[in-house]
Amino acid sequence: EVKLVESGGGLVQPGGSLRLSCAASGFSVNGQYMTWVRQTPGKGLEWVSAIYSAGDPVYADSVKGRFTISRDISENTLDLEMSSLGAEDTAVYYCVKVGDDNNGFYFMDVWGKGTLVTVSS
Amino acid sequence: YEVTQPLSVSVALRQTATITCGGDKLERRVVNWYHQRPGQAPVLLIYRDSNRPSGIPERFSASNSGNTATLAISRAQAGDEGDYYCQVWDSVWVFGGGTRLTVL
Repeated sequence: EVKLVESGGGLVQPGGSLRLSCAASGFSVNGQYMTWVRQTPGKGLEWVSAIYSAGDPVYADSVKGRFTISRDISENTLDLEMSSLGAEDTAVYYCVKVGDDNNGFYFMDVWGKGTLVTVSS
Repeated sequence: YEVTQPLSVSVALRQTATITCGGDKLERRVVNWYHQRPGQAPVLLIYRDSNRPSGIPERFSASNSGNTATLAISRAQAGDEGDYYCQVWDSVWVFGGGTRLTVL
């Protein structure tokens, strides 16, 4: 079974840092297109960051320069290092596997349950 | 690029609900749809405009034409309630604001 389990969320002070991790099972994150999507409590979905199959990272403008996405092949995890956190970063963070239909069209086919990050003093 | 959805849609039990997703020349883009039940993570519902992943009932169908993509849910059930999001790719992933479906 393909499964994603996030960890690392919690309460952090403004300006602080936090590292999220996503444990993958049933597949290898090595060479897999993966993303992080967040959801502010009671609001909609916002794409945060992605790492392409080849390893290139991309970021939403709202987190560029503050967040770093990476893969740990040995642990089979997807990680998100977050720094200079502000109240606007408070959200549930979902780890998501991106699938494709073998014709170059992508979609988010497996989601973790999410981990809550709260930025507050 | 932005895609817009109605905030809420209501449908009578066992009737058909339609949820729209609007964007400039949207038909030139590929649209995915997700369903999120309260307190749960989103689930992929439709990919590449009109394709259902395995396990998604045939009651769910979708199309994309002109400036509007449309998700149709036939024979609506209580379990269909929740939020529905459309998504497109525009150098970054873009989600619509979500539509809350209520089954009456």
